Amino acid sequence: KQEVTQIPAALSVPEGENLVLNCSFTDSAIYNLQWFRQDPGKGLTSLLLIQSSQREQTSGRLNASLDKSSGRSTLYIAASQPGDSATYLCAVRPGGYSTLTFGKGTMLLVSP
Amino acid sequence: DVKVTQSSRYLVKRTGEKVFLECVQDMDHENMFWYRQDPGLGLRLIYFSYDVKMKEKGDIPEGYSVSREKKERFSLILESASTNQTSMYLCASSPRTGSSSADTQYFGPGTRLTVL
Repeated sequence: KQEVTQIPAALSVPEGENLVLNCSFTDSAIYNLQWFRQDPGKGLTSLLLIQSSQREQTSGRLNASLDKSSGRSTLYIAASQPGDSATYLCAVRPGGYSTLTFGKGTMLLVSP
Repeated sequence: DVKVTQSSRYLVKRTGEKVFLECVQDMDHENMFWYRQDPGLGLRLIYFSYDVKMKEKGDIPEGYSVSREKKERFSLILESASTNQTSMYLCASSPRTGSSSADTQYFGPGTRLTVL
């Protein structure tokens, strides 16, 4: 059964720092991997989706990488801002299925 | 923009009540999903549906049922609510499997259910 682990569980940084969130998964046979953002008490918003054939995706200050063979992904956030404070969730989609398996998330706090 | 709406943001029910959580999407998506989210446990899939009148069990279906009579609407039913079903419930939708490896799930705002 696929398991997704996110490290660290929580992270507190001052504004302006570059930071890396980590995600690992146990079964490398994935269709794609996504990073989501969740604000307190709200639903999830998709940030980046990396297809199994890709190595990375970028959107603004966010960059996500995928190493399928080692079962790892990282989300890099450049020049962090207080508005980046949220929980970041990693999810993998098994090949051929529409369901997602989620990690438990990293709660990020960026202080002014 | 894709929109997924859920009938209530907050709901308080009594133990033993029958509870209906409604989800509607406006993008003609074939797939719809119900998750629950609990601190320390993350998001767990309860049920999903690939098409009208079709349903599949997820990881934690016990105590729940679902209904999909129309393509845009997916209902989660708690037949007899219990206190351990107090949770945040999230609905999502996505295009048909295989339409693109780049498809994503679109989430609603969530329903915070408290069972007393």
